[in-house]
Amino acid sequence: GAVVSQHPSRVICKSGTSVKIECRSLDFQATTMFWYRQFPKQSLMLMATSNEGSKATYEQGVEKDKFLINHASLTLSTLTVTSAHPEDSSFYICSARDRVTQPQHFGDGTRLSIL
Amino acid sequence: AQSVTQLDSHVSVSEGTPVLLRCNYSSSYSPSLFWYVQHPNKGLQLLLKYTSAATLVKGINGFEAEFKKSETSFHLTKPSAHMSDAAEYFCVVGFSGGATNKLIFGTGTLLAVQP
Repeated sequence: GAVVSQHPSRVICKSGTSVKIECRSLDFQATTMFWYRQFPKQSLMLMATSNEGSKATYEQGVEKDKFLINHASLTLSTLTVTSAHPEDSSFYICSARDRVTQPQHFGDGTRLSIL
Repeated sequence: AQSVTQLDSHVSVSEGTPVLLRCNYSSSYSPSLFWYVQHPNKGLQLLLKYTSAATLVKGINGFEAEFKKSETSFHLTKPSAHMSDAAEYFCVVGFSGGATNKLIFGTGTLLAVQP
């Protein structure tokens, strides 16, 4: 149980394009979803927290107009990297949780490469 | 303030020998502590969690961790390493941030298992 699916697993695109990453909870209702970014050989850094039906809460230093997050249903959250540039290349990981007392369950991540 | 320190960035063991991955935490409150494992280009998998119940926590794949409040430690151990245990391991502390629980990740320990 508690499976989180993230899609796509890898994307390569040109600078200036926008990229959408989907995060789905397959067998539970995710009231809260989290988006992380991981640089090579580094730990995960929380970008934003989203609760279903409300605006995402961004961490300090994360541009909300650059990284658009939508959590329109209890099983789906999307992260859109707008006008992507090479410095946005990274490994993006989502996680989901149904209740505050439960641990976060992670997707397999998306490797984003901007040329 | 909450923080977590993983004392070793790399640990190398021989197959069949014990594994010890060290973690120290700092928390103003009674913490929730987790160990996650990440295989290359994958998301994170929960190994075990401590949430103020038994101080010795047993997880999946033969791993366990002991919460020692006096030492503010939560070291991860396994009696006998397998080749499949080679991965990155993250010690994580959870804390309440507003309406959600946030996770703070350690910098990770890369475990290598030699044949």
